[in-house]
Amino acid sequence: DTEVTQTPKHLVMGMTNKKSLKCEQHMGHRAMYWYKQKAKKPPELMFVYSYEKLSINESVPSRFSPECPNSSLLNLHLHALQPEDSALYLCASSQSPGRGELFFGEGSRLTVL
Amino acid sequence: LAKTTQPISMDSYEGQEVNITCSHNNIATNDYITWYQQFPSQGPRFIIQGYKTKVTNEVASLFIPADRKSSTLSLPRVSLSDTAVYYCLVGEANTGFQKLVFGTGTRLLVSP
Repeated sequence: DTEVTQTPKHLVMGMTNKKSLKCEQHMGHRAMYWYKQKAKKPPELMFVYSYEKLSINESVPSRFSPECPNSSLLNLHLHALQPEDSALYLCASSQSPGRGELFFGEGSRLTVL
Repeated sequence: LAKTTQPISMDSYEGQEVNITCSHNNIATNDYITWYQQFPSQGPRFIIQGYKTKVTNEVASLFIPADRKSSTLSLPRVSLSDTAVYYCLVGEANTGFQKLVFGTGTRLLVSP
């Protein structure tokens, strides 16, 4: 199994809603990443989890809250988002932090109304 | 900080070889150079990774000169399905290379 699975594929939410994005991998990878990608722009790193601990937070607003319940799961909790937060949210994993191939999921397309 | 620079776009025709160059003047001594391909509304997909000289796999070659300040992704005999955005990445040494930063990307358009 070389897949990173992200759910939901599409999400529409209002600015007062609370929702979560989920990411799962069963490759035994010990690093997991959240990236945000706006249209026609490169992915921008948001968070890195290394051995289930948050190791990098790229000064992301607190309305985005990451969580790593175990080595296979990564969540991104969303609350009080703004329309400009609409984007493709990509999860990735790698065998070890900072090394090796990044395996990306297909992304969750978020629209904030 | 590690930063990469790539041409914004390139055009090619089916069957031609395409070479995309990435500049990474501040690459750290221990860092690898990695290239990814991305189709619209999909996650990036790994193409190739290298540290120095030349690396080749079943889909591409990666050429890295001795000073490692640039790298060139070579796609032999491209087809229409190679139309995509190509990104090169290097890590940032002060984060233990965990911070993997995408360059601006090169949009490759392959025409019949």
